[in-house]
Amino acid sequence: SQKIEQNSEALNIQEGKTATLTCNYTNYSPAYLQWYRQDPGRGPVFLLLIRENEKEKRKERLKVTFDTTLKQSLFHITASQPADSATYLCALGGSSNTGKLIFGQGTTLQVKP
Amino acid sequence: NAGVMQNPRHLVRRRGQEARLRCSPMKGHSHVYWYRQLPEEGLKFMVYLQKENIIDESGMPKERFSAEFPKEGPSILRIQQVVRGDSAAYFCASSPPSGTLEQFFGPGTRLTVL
Repeated sequence: SQKIEQNSEALNIQEGKTATLTCNYTNYSPAYLQWYRQDPGRGPVFLLLIRENEKEKRKERLKVTFDTTLKQSLFHITASQPADSATYLCALGGSSNTGKLIFGQGTTLQVKP
Repeated sequence: NAGVMQNPRHLVRRRGQEARLRCSPMKGHSHVYWYRQLPEEGLKFMVYLQKENIIDESGMPKERFSAEFPKEGPSILRIQQVVRGDSAAYFCASSPPSGTLEQFFGPGTRLTVL
């Protein structure tokens, strides 16, 4: 069955450092992959989308890579700030052409000042 | 432009009652998705609707759950005869008719079944 794995343990880093979050998947061939941010008690907020034919995407301090051979995406936040503390969700889509997203369970990032 | 709206934000029901969750998509959006988030778990897709049509309901439990998105008014997720296992946060997301694959999420409805 389709499976998406994100680091289940919280990631704690010091302000100013680069945070790297991992998303691995099996039994799935997504046409695209998205990253969302979710704060406690709130809905997810879209951050970045990367398509299967793209290797890397950047947006301000965010960078995402997508390796369809390894079936892995890496999400980087450079020059991290305490305000970046949140849960980050990886989501795969496109195999069914319905817009349906398959989410990972999320990784909680804590940036300490 | 108001974002996706969901109400109620919190809903308490006793076992056996019905729960109705409402979602108003962003203006101009005609695609609505419902997801469920159980404690300590990720978001699980339930159903994808367009106006007056269910496009993909592969994530909907076979019994007690139904969804609609009428021509006028909000999308409704209906859970009949709720059980304790239905306690979760239910999120609605919307997207425009074409182009972007990004989904815009509402704040969620937290359902508690006593």
